[in-house]
Amino acid sequence: GQQLNQSPQSMFIQEGEDVSMNCTSSSIFNTWLWYKQDPGEGPVLLIALYKAGELTSNGRLTAQFGITRKDSFLNISASIPSDVGIYFCAGLNTGKLIFGQGTTLQVKP
Amino acid sequence: GAGVSQSPSNKVTEKGKDVELRCDPISGHTALYWYRQSLGQGLEFLIYFQGNSAPDKSGLPSDRFSAERTGGSVSTLTIQRTQQEDSAVYLCASSSTRDSQETQYFGPGTRLLVL
Repeated sequence: GQQLNQSPQSMFIQEGEDVSMNCTSSSIFNTWLWYKQDPGEGPVLLIALYKAGELTSNGRLTAQFGITRKDSFLNISASIPSDVGIYFCAGLNTGKLIFGQGTTLQVKP
Repeated sequence: GAGVSQSPSNKVTEKGKDVELRCDPISGHTALYWYRQSLGQGLEFLIYFQGNSAPDKSGLPSDRFSAERTGGSVSTLTIQRTQQEDSAVYLCASSSTRDSQETQYFGPGTRLLVL
């Protein structure tokens, strides 16, 4: 089946640093999404990308939809302690979300 | 309600028992989805419902898993004869339309532990 490869698996950074994570797929997706999941909660949508090549920002978050429609990256600038959590990429395929394995982010104050 | 709600929040059961997990979607949302998240893993699609259409069951891992949605609102995911590998967080999501750009909103999940 379709799979998304997300990297890195985990990151431990200092507060104030920038973070970058990415996702690749062997299949094309027409919509890419980035979610954040806090412990004990369901995923919450951060950014949605609908067009190949699109670059979208949401506060300190920036995400891009790769031109081939097979990849995407998420950048977080000037990280803060509340950025801690698990970040998932997801591709939308006929209503179903296909998720990456997640990137666990830890921020040291 | 304001968001997707799920119950119970935690469930511990013995191997071989049946369990029922409940999802209340956001009012007015026509599409409802079930996902499973194993420890340290991403979410795995199980099944989704859209209005009165036949559900897409392509993600159900075995015939022990079934789901229904009554009255186009509340959904129940049933796992029969539970196995230890069924232990996971079961997440429900809803959206206002299917095959669209509408956001899927997730509930907090039910944490299932099969002993």
